[in-house]
Amino acid sequence: QLQLQESGPRLVKPSETLSLTCTVSGGSISSSGYYWGWIRQPPGKGLEWIGSIYYSGSTYYNPSLKSRVTISVDTSKKHFSLRLSSVTAADTAVYYCARHITPPVLDTPPFDYWGQGTLVTVSS
Amino acid sequence: QSMLTQPPSASGTPGQRVTISCSGSSSNIGSNTVNWYQQVPGTAPKLLISGNNQRPSGVPDRFSGSKSGTSASLAISGLQSEDETDYYCAAWDDSLNVVVFGGGTKLTVL
Repeated sequence: QLQLQESGPRLVKPSETLSLTCTVSGGSISSSGYYWGWIRQPPGKGLEWIGSIYYSGSTYYNPSLKSRVTISVDTSKKHFSLRLSSVTAADTAVYYCARHITPPVLDTPPFDYWGQGTLVTVSS
Repeated sequence: QSMLTQPPSASGTPGQRVTISCSGSSSNIGSNTVNWYQQVPGTAPKLLISGNNQRPSGVPDRFSGSKSGTSASLAISGLQSEDETDYYCAAWDDSLNVVVFGGGTKLTVL
């Protein structure tokens, strides 16, 4: 059974960089046709797609966050990572990693496996 | 950034059939398939419907999805108490180049 697990600091100071890692187990991060994404959810609010990556390194970013976001993948360590720079209180959210098939630009990616999510708070 | 419009709440009685709507535009629902997620508060969303009307393995056939033009719907028949939670629709937007989600609908089983 595929499992995803987010890890990283739960508290980040304003203007600093948020860094999270999603470790994949029970399956291969390098499997052809699978993409790996990040989605966030501010407390009490809806879902926002941050971006996705293919094991080859191809990335797809939410244009509203693109200038601050970097998603990378390390197939040898079976994980992919999110970096969000210059954070503010508005970036406080539960961050989820998830798997999907279908490149985002071709059709709506169905996120079929999710991590449990991790709450990251931006505060001094 | 909700580009898809869902009613904030919906309700029904046990055994009843309820529908949740999701309204978009030609650049999202009108051009791409719609996925639906169920989210119990405090847990990760669960994929309920993909490709407008496909149920992933393990999803009861009480749940069904449909799409017409720039709108989509999630139908839940034989409503059960455990269906009381939040539901989100999602679609790719060709103009914004982003996955857009609806604002979510809280379903109450009376």
